[in-house]
Amino acid sequence: QVQLKETGPDLVQLTQTLSITCTVSGFSLTTYNVHWVRQPPGKGLEWMGAMWNGGGTDYNSAFKSRLSISRDTSKSQVFLKMNSLQTDDTAKYFCARSYRYNLFDYWGQGVMVTVSS
Amino acid sequence: DVVLTQTPSTLSATIGQSVSISCRSSQSLLDSAGNTYLYWYLQRPGQSPQLLIYLVSNLGSGVPNRFSGSGSGTDFTLKISGVEAEDLGVYYCMQATHAPYTFGAGTKLELK
Repeated sequence: QVQLKETGPDLVQLTQTLSITCTVSGFSLTTYNVHWVRQPPGKGLEWMGAMWNGGGTDYNSAFKSRLSISRDTSKSQVFLKMNSLQTDDTAKYFCARSYRYNLFDYWGQGVMVTVSS
Repeated sequence: DVVLTQTPSTLSATIGQSVSISCRSSQSLLDSAGNTYLYWYLQRPGQSPQLLIYLVSNLGSGVPNRFSGSGSGTDFTLKISGVEAEDLGVYYCMQATHAPYTFGAGTKLELK
């Protein structure tokens, strides 16, 4: 069945780089798109960017040049890397799948990342 | 960026009551191809968001038909016809017509 699972650190130091992996199963990354969405504690959802099925990427300009999304189709993995972390980057980070109409039909359970000073 | 304004921010309802949530966009969400990429998601406590409605009024897979969506342009509504206990949580509208995709701030549905 379709699954997405995020893995990453619980804690990252201020100004350091965050790396999270989204490992998918039950579908192909060359058919479906994967998006990254984050949610600070007690707050709403923020779209960060996407890895399209053709290998292209799009980013929310709010993250300027801090954010990078890549993939390894042979391992069914999509990677998020974000540098220069600040305390307001503390959030739960989700990956989600889309296909037609850009609807997000499956989500991972998310990984909670705390940026510590 | 497109701003989605949801009202109310909190909604108290009894089981069986019908409720509506409004989502207003700062720009039209109708694209040049005639599609309106407006969605509704529910996030239950401690869970990931789940899709309820896509393209304004289409029910997601497995979503009960007590949920319905309507609207056009900049004004959209999610209606729940007969709230059930499992419907409690935070409802978000989201748009994917304009980059970057954006979410509303959420509407928390509570039991009265």
